[in-house]
Amino acid sequence: NAGVMQNPRHLVRRRGQEARLRCSPMKGHSHVYWYRQLPEEGLKFMVYLQKENIIDESGMPKERFSAEFPKEGPSILRIQQVVRGDSAAYFCASSPSDRPREGYTFGSGTRLTVV
Amino acid sequence: SQQGEEDPQALSIQEGENATMNCSYKTSINNLQWYRQNSGRGLVHLILIRSNEREKHSGRLRVTLDTSKKSSSLLITASRAADTASYFCATDGGSARQLTFGSGTQLTVLP
Repeated sequence: NAGVMQNPRHLVRRRGQEARLRCSPMKGHSHVYWYRQLPEEGLKFMVYLQKENIIDESGMPKERFSAEFPKEGPSILRIQQVVRGDSAAYFCASSPSDRPREGYTFGSGTRLTVV
Repeated sequence: SQQGEEDPQALSIQEGENATMNCSYKTSINNLQWYRQNSGRGLVHLILIRSNEREKHSGRLRVTLDTSKKSSSLLITASRAADTASYFCATDGGSARQLTFGSGTQLTVLP
């Protein structure tokens, strides 16, 4: 079991470009969560998805950010027209249910740098 | 302060000593979880304690929860250099299927 796989590990984008971050949950996990971590801070919730459905996007910025978890393939976090303030580590977590008894499994993250 | 605030922000101890980190939160919770993050890496789940539990053990880890004070502590006994990492508490509360993290405690264990 490879765990939660995120790619790329590092991503550099120029201001105005698009960033696409991918997350493949653990085998058997149908619940995916995206978090953002700014330097020296804890993780902040962004969005919670199940297959083909966005369940809770209360932590997503209203503009430029979108997420999907299609029936087939990984979950995608998409950031359009990136700005310097989007530079952060983006973590994906997965779970087999919406209230896992043993916590969530996190990926190693994608570190986005906007130059 | 934010939900899930850890104290202290940084802790430096010698190998073999015990390390205690505290976490305070503001709202009611279903459970509280502790995670560890090595520099530049993802989070590793350490232990989950439910709101109706007061203490839980896992190997060298001991977690307590006091819901009346809205606080939790993580004790690492007989620390090792490999325990050097950031430790975060996260609360799972209400109907929201999301975790609220604190800013973390940076633990350094000196060999």
